Amino acid sequence: DTGVSQDPRHKITKRGQNVTFRCDPISEHNRLYWYRQTLGQGPEFLTYFQNEAQLEKSRLLSDRFSAERPKGSFSTLEIQRTEQGDSAMYLCASSLTPGLLIHEQYFGPGTRLTVT
Amino acid sequence: TQLLEQSPQFLSIQEGENLTVYCNSSSVFSSLQWYRQEPGEGPVLLVTVVTGGEVKKLKRLTFQFGDARKDSSLHITAAQPGDTGLYLCAGATSNTGKLIFGQGTTLQVKP
Repeated sequence: DTGVSQDPRHKITKRGQNVTFRCDPISEHNRLYWYRQTLGQGPEFLTYFQNEAQLEKSRLLSDRFSAERPKGSFSTLEIQRTEQGDSAMYLCASSLTPGLLIHEQYFGPGTRLTVT
Repeated sequence: TQLLEQSPQFLSIQEGENLTVYCNSSSVFSSLQWYRQEPGEGPVLLVTVVTGGEVKKLKRLTFQFGDARKDSSLHITAAQPGDTGLYLCAGATSNTGKLIFGQGTTLQVKP
């Protein structure tokens, strides 16, 4: 297995357009996380799935954002009516349901979104 | 709101020097992870610490978790240009595994 993959790596779109990103986690990992990172900052949590169930969403995730993980494998993150403030790196990470204390997440290379 | 404060934010040193990066919070974490990130890439996991007072070594990198599990440090001995990058600490406080990240420390090691 080659790790977490994300597609596309870069996306340039015009304000108001919809975009969709895909994440393929490490195959045996049952948890999948989405984060957003802006320049000069650490990643911020957006949402996470355990198998196909979306269990938590950040208040950062406005109603223009929707995420799915229909079969508990890959996930998609859609942004509708994009705004310039959505420009960021969108990171996906996966983990195997850990013991209660250890939460090791492995990140993909990210999708860089630029909204013009 | 849980916050992780990293310091310093920027560090520029000469090859061969030692350095320490700090990660502090008022919150207790069940585990804390250190990542390194290159420009345009995702963070790469370096280490996870779980037990208060724990020390882990990875070649020239030494990681320590505070006794109260609220803070951590990363020490690099004899830094090399290949160590250049953004270092991020991230703490997990709940069973969700959601990570709270510090703002990162940008390290530049000059040859």
